[in-house]
Amino acid sequence: QQQVKQSPQSLIVQKGGISIINCAYENTAFDYFPWYQQFPGKGPALLIAIRPDVSEKKEGRFTISFNKSAKQFSLHIMDSQPGDSATYFCAASKDGGTSYGKLTFGQGTILTVHP
Amino acid sequence: DTAVSQTPKYLVTQMGNDKSIKCEQNLGHDTMYWYKQDSKKFLKIMFSYNNKELIINETVPNRFSPKSPDKAHLNLHINSLELGDSAVYFCASSRALKNTQYFGPGTRLTVL
Repeated sequence: QQQVKQSPQSLIVQKGGISIINCAYENTAFDYFPWYQQFPGKGPALLIAIRPDVSEKKEGRFTISFNKSAKQFSLHIMDSQPGDSATYFCAASKDGGTSYGKLTFGQGTILTVHP
Repeated sequence: DTAVSQTPKYLVTQMGNDKSIKCEQNLGHDTMYWYKQDSKKFLKIMFSYNNKELIINETVPNRFSPKSPDKAHLNLHINSLELGDSAVYFCASSRALKNTQYFGPGTRLTVL
């Protein structure tokens, strides 16, 4: 059962454009939604994260938009740069209980930013 | 300084062999994890340990056995390796009660 669905699988954007990656989740108990960035040959690294008490979080060029009623959240990368080319993963988890710390990942989006 | 390190980075072995992957973190975290990333880059948790105690054990064949000798180390031993075990294995760690997980560089396991 895929609890976090991510789209698109791949995305090509021109330098300076906006990259948008979407995720939808099923488990309403999720209360933590991070985005990870992974470069080839490296481990995923936390990019930005949000909890459901806010609808938007911005850090530099990266913004998470969160829609609790629709059970959806998205990553927006403004002024996309070639150095942003990587695989992006959304994830979700809930604090406490037997699933403590368990991150459920989306399928990943390969972002390519052309110069 | 490397926060989460894994050894080896690459591991090529024959079917049926037994192998181990080691993980160490110097972040002072209480919780450590093993993830498997398949050929389609899908990441799935396998195990997690909190203060050396197993707290998450996903549906993983019992050929996989994690061992945590102390809070800073979490090793993964795999018996009777199969072709389907070929993947990249990531170790991660987090501070107790926090969800930010820091990943290691990965170990690419290839079973021939």
